[in-house]
Amino acid sequence: DAGVIQSPRHEVTEMGQEVTLRCKPISGHNSLFWYRQTMMRGLELLIYFNNNVPIDDSGMPEDRFSAKMPNASFSTLKIQPSEPRDSAVYFCASSLGQGGEAFFGQGTRLTVV
Amino acid sequence: GQQVMQIPQYQHVQEGEDFTTYCNSSTTLSNIQWYKQRPGGHPVFLIQLVKSGEVKKQKRLTFQFGEAKKNSSLHITATQTTDVGTYFCAGRGSYIPTFGRGTSLIVHP
Repeated sequence: DAGVIQSPRHEVTEMGQEVTLRCKPISGHNSLFWYRQTMMRGLELLIYFNNNVPIDDSGMPEDRFSAKMPNASFSTLKIQPSEPRDSAVYFCASSLGQGGEAFFGQGTRLTVV
Repeated sequence: GQQVMQIPQYQHVQEGEDFTTYCNSSTTLSNIQWYKQRPGGHPVFLIQLVKSGEVKKQKRLTFQFGEAKKNSSLHITATQTTDVGTYFCAGRGSYIPTFGRGTSLIVHP
């Protein structure tokens, strides 16, 4: 298995633009997590899916953020409109079960100018 | 909600010195995981501890889970430059794991 695959690896966008981050979890994993990492706030959980259903989105900063998981092999995190304070590294992770070992993707480094 | 605190935030050591990072939870944990993130990389799973008082070793790394299952530690003996990175604990109560802020280890050759 190629592991968790995220795209793009880097994204630079202008303030106000829509940004879509993509994730392909490891086949067979039923839990998927989106995290945001910054120097100031560390690794923050944004949203957690189990069996493609959003279970906990309490970490989503505000309505500008949305996430979907239309099937077991694909998830998106969308920011619309983007703001400079959204600049961070966004990680997707998957696991077998909600408490299992989490496998992280390589992350998307987002810069909003 | 569950909180996981990790100390110290940073640790500078000379190569060959030992290193320890500590993780404390506000609630009793069912298990605790440790991850390592190299600079510019992504977190990579190291180990999971489940039992009260459990101790596990991976070469120069020793992981401990407290008797009350509310704290844990990671100790590295004789650090090497390859140990550089940020070490995270992730404590699980009855739900999904909560990550600590991590301890960044800087090893000076």
